[in-house]
Amino acid sequence: DGGITQSPKYLFRKEGQNVTLSCEQNLNHDAMYWYRQDPGQGLRLIYYSQIVNDFQKGDIAEGYSVSREKKESFPLTVTSAQKNPTAFYLCASSIGTANTEAFFGQGTRLTVV
Amino acid sequence: DAKTTQPTSMDCAEGRAANLPCNHSTISGNEYVYWYRQIHSQGPQYIIHGLKNNETNEMASLIITEDRKSSTLILPHATLRDTAVYYCIVRVAEGSQGNLIFGKGTKLSVKP
Repeated sequence: DGGITQSPKYLFRKEGQNVTLSCEQNLNHDAMYWYRQDPGQGLRLIYYSQIVNDFQKGDIAEGYSVSREKKESFPLTVTSAQKNPTAFYLCASSIGTANTEAFFGQGTRLTVV
Repeated sequence: DAKTTQPTSMDCAEGRAANLPCNHSTISGNEYVYWYRQIHSQGPQYIIHGLKNNETNEMASLIITEDRKSSTLILPHATLRDTAVYYCIVRVAEGSQGNLIFGKGTKLSVKP
């Protein structure tokens, strides 16, 4: 089935370690997005990519890095520079134009201890 | 980017219509209104979107005012499974790469 997959669903890491969250889509979408959600809050944009080998910072990019080497994949690395990494992370993809909906993965809940 | 204003929370009786309002008074002429919902601890789910005309699909109806400064999402017969946070989003035009900017949404509670 076509869709967007995030893995793992739950992730635990020690403070000071980098961690990479996976996001894969087989929808042939050009655009992919990473959002962060804290309890009781809306989604905040971390990074987005409109095309392979190109990506742009969102509102809260500090402490995060991404790559877009393949159309299907947009991994997010949470680095040790991110002050409060514990959060719910959501990946999305879309065809890329304003008149089309975005599809979201089921999220990865990262806990840093 | 245009911003949206939604009530923090709303209640609705099961089987009745749920009408969720959204204000987007600074919307530009080529920006779309999108609605998503998020059930606890899941990814947001697309509901419907529109530009000028009212839209209807199997999930909901979207009513956009003539001046486009506000809209209403209508769930015609709300069920307990419709309990979720509903986000009204104005999607920026293609020149700004179509990002989705989320606010805090409206927490809809459907009660038996």
